[in-house]
Amino acid sequence: EAQVTQNPRYLITVTGKKLTVTCSQNMNHEYMSWYRQDPGLGLRQIYYSMNVEVTDKGDVPEGYKVSRKEKRNFPLILESPSPNQTSLYFCASSLSAGNQETQYFGPGTRLLVL
Amino acid sequence: GENVEQHPSTLSVQEGDSAVIKCTYSDSASNYFPWYKQELGKRPQLIIDIRSNVGEKKDQRIAVTLNKTAKHFSLHITETQPEDSAVYFCAATANRDDKIIFGKGTRLHILP
Repeated sequence: EAQVTQNPRYLITVTGKKLTVTCSQNMNHEYMSWYRQDPGLGLRQIYYSMNVEVTDKGDVPEGYKVSRKEKRNFPLILESPSPNQTSLYFCASSLSAGNQETQYFGPGTRLLVL
Repeated sequence: GENVEQHPSTLSVQEGDSAVIKCTYSDSASNYFPWYKQELGKRPQLIIDIRSNVGEKKDQRIAVTLNKTAKHFSLHITETQPEDSAVYFCAATANRDDKIIFGKGTRLHILP
């Protein structure tokens, strides 16, 4: 089944404790990105990647890191999480036309930073 | 950079009536405008999109119109049904290898 998966789905952590949220797609998509969703602010792009070893900042990259060592995986890293990073996070991927094709979203990861 | 404004933030319509959600964008280079629907507790899913070489696109009860001169595009839902209740997001993109800017969303309530 073609899909985007994220893990974990729910995470409670404390300020400063490094964490990684994994994202994987099995559709051979080139474009992958991370979003955060907050009430009243909609979906905001954190980072995106056009292909392996190519990553770029979205609108809200501060406090986040990503890597794209393999085409299928695009992990989101919070080196030192803070309470303002409490949010719902979505990973998404799309075909070779990048941001101008359908974005397929993962199920979301709800993060609470205490 | 691109900025996308979406209105209204909340919309309530009687079942069977039409709903219209509007978005404006700032970057005249934007050329792809998708709309996503997010049901409660679910992930966003594309429902319709339009490219800048087209003024209108329709898919059953859903249509999108684009006015490049005024830099705005709208989602039209006719004969609304309870399953149309959701949050709708518009977005705009310019180059294929660039970021995606979403509007802040519209929560649509279909009243019985």
